[in-house]
Amino acid sequence: AQSVAQPEDQVNVAEGNPLTVKCTYSVSGNPYLFWYVQYPNRGLQFLLKYITGDNLVKGSYGFEAEFNKSQTSFHLKKPSALVSDSALYFCAVRDTRGNTPLVFGKGTRLSVIA
Amino acid sequence: GAVVSQHPSWVICKSGTSVKIECRSLDFQATTMFWYRQFPKQSLMLMATSNEGSKATYEQGVEKDKFLINHASLTLSTLTVTSAHPEDSSFYICSARPSHDATDTQYFGPGTRLTVL
Repeated sequence: AQSVAQPEDQVNVAEGNPLTVKCTYSVSGNPYLFWYVQYPNRGLQFLLKYITGDNLVKGSYGFEAEFNKSQTSFHLKKPSALVSDSALYFCAVRDTRGNTPLVFGKGTRLSVIA
Repeated sequence: GAVVSQHPSWVICKSGTSVKIECRSLDFQATTMFWYRQFPKQSLMLMATSNEGSKATYEQGVEKDKFLINHASLTLSTLTVTSAHPEDSSFYICSARPSHDATDTQYFGPGTRLTVL
C-alpha cells in the first residue's frame, strides 16, 4: 500500500524567509512524487514532480523539492517566501508499479506573514 | 497548456433532485479522469476513476448508483449526483491525466461547490 504523510497542519513563515513544507511517503516500489497547491475555493494547481533522475526538482513560482530516497522524503522548499504563497499544499505519491491512483497527503496550510 | 474546466462552478439544488457536473480537458486528450470530493479543511478523497469508453471504477464506500460517471469522449467526463441530499453537499473536483503522459501527472479542474438544501 502507498501512503503520504504531511506532519504539519500549518506552517507560518515571515515574508522573505525560506520556507519548507514537509512530506514523507511509503510505496512498495519506486515513487512518482508530486506537489500541488490549492487556493481558497479552487482546484489544485500542479507545482512540480519527481519521476527519475536529478533529486532536486524545480517547479513553478520558484518552488523546488528534493527527493531523498533514504529518508523517503520529498520536502517542498522556496528560498524566499511571498505573501501570495499563502495557500494549502498537498503532497502526492504514486507507485510506479501497477496502475494505482495518486494518494494525497492531508495538506499543509502555509501562511506567509508580511 | 493542460487546462481542465469544470461546469458549473457552484450549484444549489433542492433535496431529491439530480445534479450533473462536467469536467473537460481543454487542450489535451485524457483517457483517464478522476473525481474527488473534498470536505472543509480536509484532503481530497478519490471517489472514482473514469476511463473513456468503459465503466468507471469506484472506490470502496462510494455508491455507484448515486454518483453516476460517464466518460463518453477523450475530453469530457460527467458526474451526476442522483437524488441529492444535504449530506452530499461538498466540493467536487475532477482531474485529467493526459493520454500521452505515463507518469500520472494529473491536472485539476477548479472544482464545483454543491449545496443541497
